[in-house]
Amino acid sequence: DAGITQSPRYKITETGRQVTLMCHQTWSHSYMFWYRQDLGHGLRLIYYSAAADITDKGEVPDGYVVSRSKTENFPLTLESATRSQTSVYFCASSGSYEQYFGPGTRLTVT
Amino acid sequence: AQSVTQLDSQVPVFEEAPVELRCNYSSSVSVYLFWYVQYPNQGLQLLLKYLSGSTLVESINGFEAEFNKSQTSFHLRKPSVHISDTAEYFCAVSGIFGNEKLTFGTGTRLTIIP
Repeated sequence: DAGITQSPRYKITETGRQVTLMCHQTWSHSYMFWYRQDLGHGLRLIYYSAAADITDKGEVPDGYVVSRSKTENFPLTLESATRSQTSVYFCASSGSYEQYFGPGTRLTVT
Repeated sequence: AQSVTQLDSQVPVFEEAPVELRCNYSSSVSVYLFWYVQYPNQGLQLLLKYLSGSTLVESINGFEAEFNKSQTSFHLRKPSVHISDTAEYFCAVSGIFGNEKLTFGTGTRLTIIP
């Protein structure tokens, strides 16, 4: 299917575990982004990538790691999950001025 | 640095009444402005955008927003709302050089009262 997909859609994990959220886009967009959505904060940028093997920090990068070995994939890893990372995570891609968002992953850290 | 302020976290409106969702931004450089809509349990969809040209921009489902540079605002309006407009609306700003990071407001939850 064309577009941008995220997996899993829902995830429950325990404090201290490593979790990887996947993001895949079929448009060959050069830019990709990871946001987290929390009540009262809107969406905040975690990391972004301008191309394969080029990544940079956003507003709230602590506790997260990203990689981008292929243009179409941009996984986000929580190395040691904490309760404060309970959130809804959105991936987005952009080919120009407009960002296209995935359906989100709801992550709960217990 | 850029910032976006959406002062109204929740806006209840009767069906078929008009609505205005307010958005103000701050930036030291020229900006592009966006409104995104998030329906329940879904991702964000672009509703409309201002890049250049006419300061009044419209969406396909009857929303419009006007870029006001002097007041640094980009308020969203609709003359008559429907139940299907129930959603959360996010205002966002970016720089003008393409593929730039978006800075979002905290969102406004629009609830339509039958």
